[in-house]
Amino acid sequence: GEQVEQLPSSLIVQEGASVLINCSYTDSASVYFPWYKQEPGKRLQFIIDIRSNMERKQNQRLTLLFDKKTKHLSLHITATQPGDSAIYFCSANTGGLSGKLTFGEGTQVTVIS
Amino acid sequence: DTTVKQNPRYKLARVGKPVNLICSQTMNHDTMYWYQKKPNQAPKLLLFYYDKILNREADTFEKFQSSRPNNSFCSLYIGSAGLEYSAMYLCASSTLGDEQYFGPGTRLTVL
Repeated sequence: GEQVEQLPSSLIVQEGASVLINCSYTDSASVYFPWYKQEPGKRLQFIIDIRSNMERKQNQRLTLLFDKKTKHLSLHITATQPGDSAIYFCSANTGGLSGKLTFGEGTQVTVIS
Repeated sequence: DTTVKQNPRYKLARVGKPVNLICSQTMNHDTMYWYQKKPNQAPKLLLFYYDKILNREADTFEKFQSSRPNNSFCSLYIGSAGLEYSAMYLCASSTLGDEQYFGPGTRLTVL
């Protein structure tokens, strides 16, 4: 089945700096890649997604890049703020009648002032 | 309202006893999901309902049951809890294929 790997597992960044989270998957049938954020004590929250017919998507300070050939995604967060401190999860979905999301283990991002 | 609710938020169970967790959503989503999450691990899909059709993952097929009496509610049932069931259980809902909305989770501790 699908496997999703995220790197790094954790990182610390100075407020205002940028963050890059890498994600790779194994199943070429995956077509939809949502990302979620979980702040301490809060629920998983959808932040951005991309489908396999796109290469790039931007949502304010978030930019998601997708390379179908290498089965690789990267999430770029610019101008980080303390509220960006959270665990970020990459996931992959093969679509169709299966709503199954396969998640990575997450990247703990800590923004320090 | 994009809220998914879960009850209870915390559950203490004895080994060998049954556990029933509840999830509800008011977004009229056709699909509801249950995930298990352990510390420092990825959320793992246990099963999902698309409308009235239950789909269970092969490796958890016999461990978890579920029911969906109506569009808004979905339960997760463990017939006989073991220590390995201690985890956070996350419910989510979506229109099939779209972003999933997650509940706050139920933390299950089995003693």
